Amino acid sequence: QQPVQSPQAVILREGEDAVINCSSSKALYSVHWYRQKHGEAPVFLMILLKGGEQKGHEKISASFNEKKQQSSLYLTASQLSYSGTYFCGTAFNAGNNRKLIWGLGTSLAVNP
Amino acid sequence: EAQVTQNPRYLITVTGKKLTVTCSQNMNHEYMSWYRQDPGLGLRQIYYSMNVEVTDKGDVPEGYKVSRKEKRNFPLILESPSPNQTSLYFCASSPAERDTQYFGPGTRLTVL
Repeated sequence: QQPVQSPQAVILREGEDAVINCSSSKALYSVHWYRQKHGEAPVFLMILLKGGEQKGHEKISASFNEKKQQSSLYLTASQLSYSGTYFCGTAFNAGNNRKLIWGLGTSLAVNP
Repeated sequence: EAQVTQNPRYLITVTGKKLTVTCSQNMNHEYMSWYRQDPGLGLRQIYYSMNVEVTDKGDVPEGYKVSRKEKRNFPLILESPSPNQTSLYFCASSPAERDTQYFGPGTRLTVL
């Protein structure tokens, strides 16, 4: 049930773009994206509900592909402050289990 | 300011000495949750609570207890801590299960 995030790690130079994927084997109801800096609490970025909507927050945006049961997080023109670990949390359509299930995270390092 | 607070932030203890980590939220959220985070294992849910006096096991409940006597508080109790409970612990709250989760700052626990 745990969503699979890819890649596991990515290293960028400032200004480069990155895509992080979150894939599920079960039908998704929603996908939540969080960023966690080392030693700090995860911070909410955005939530996507089924329906294929795309959301954006400054230069970070995300999409939800219902056919593929996958969400992608797009980081455009990366900044040093984007460094951290990105987690997706997924909620499923059916069943009694309504809680979020978390991916293992993608470590992103942005270098000058 | 809307927030989730945890205390203590850091704790070093010895095997078998009972301890409590407190969690409090001021957002009137119904859903509260405890996670532990270990390298390479992501966020694993220990216990959650849907409302006052309603709690249930998460994925890794062994060795932990919780209570929810008031809506704002959700303490995590380790009756007899063991070294394998050394971890980073996060409390989180949200309006409902599938909603955005707000995390506390974390408690780093070391059991010797």
